Amino acid sequence: AQSVSQHNHHVILSEAASLELGCNYSYGGTVNLFWYVQYPGQHLQLLLKYFSGDPLVKGIKGFEAEFIKSKFSFNLRKPSVQWSDTAEYFCAVNLPSGAGSYQLTFGKGTKLSVIP
Amino acid sequence: NAGVTQTPKFRVLKTGQSMTLLCAQDMNHEYMYWYRQDPGMGLRLIHYSVGEGTTAKGEVPDGYNVSRLKKQNFLLGLESAAPSQTSVYFCASNPTSGRWRNEQFFGPGTRLTVL
Repeated sequence: AQSVSQHNHHVILSEAASLELGCNYSYGGTVNLFWYVQYPGQHLQLLLKYFSGDPLVKGIKGFEAEFIKSKFSFNLRKPSVQWSDTAEYFCAVNLPSGAGSYQLTFGKGTKLSVIP
Repeated sequence: NAGVTQTPKFRVLKTGQSMTLLCAQDMNHEYMYWYRQDPGMGLRLIHYSVGEGTTAKGEVPDGYNVSRLKKQNFLLGLESAAPSQTSVYFCASNPTSGRWRNEQFFGPGTRLTVL
């Protein structure tokens, strides 16, 4: 079955450290890829997305992600995290669900805790 | 635009009670979705709709029903609530054309506790 995997359940970093969150998916066809962020007690907000073109995508708040098709990966990066980046991060991929339709499939999320 | 709104924000039910969660969007989006979020599980799709009058099952549809009588509204019903349905429920919608196609916009969530 097609799936989305996020490798880290909980990441703890000090402020100014660099961040990389892994995301892999299992589907060989064309995909749309997303990273969402959920701040404590809030709903999901889109950080960035990839549909086509330049595989290095820049999003809001200094985040970026690189789509590597050969590795089925879409890792999220930020060069220097801030305390305000403490949140849960979800990778999501539009995967086929049968009968010609696609569904957004989420990874299980990675909690990021940034220590001042 | 209000975007995607959900009613209510919080609710506590007893086992066996029924309730309906309302999702409304004012962006004229064709597709709408209901997800549940549980710790360590990410978001799982319950039901979705690709247009007014149509609904389809997602990954975890059992115990839920939905209706999309108007394009802007998507209702999620629990006929006989169970403790396993304690969760945070998110509604989302997306257009199928234009700049925002396939990008889902999420509501603020409904926290449901079933005792």
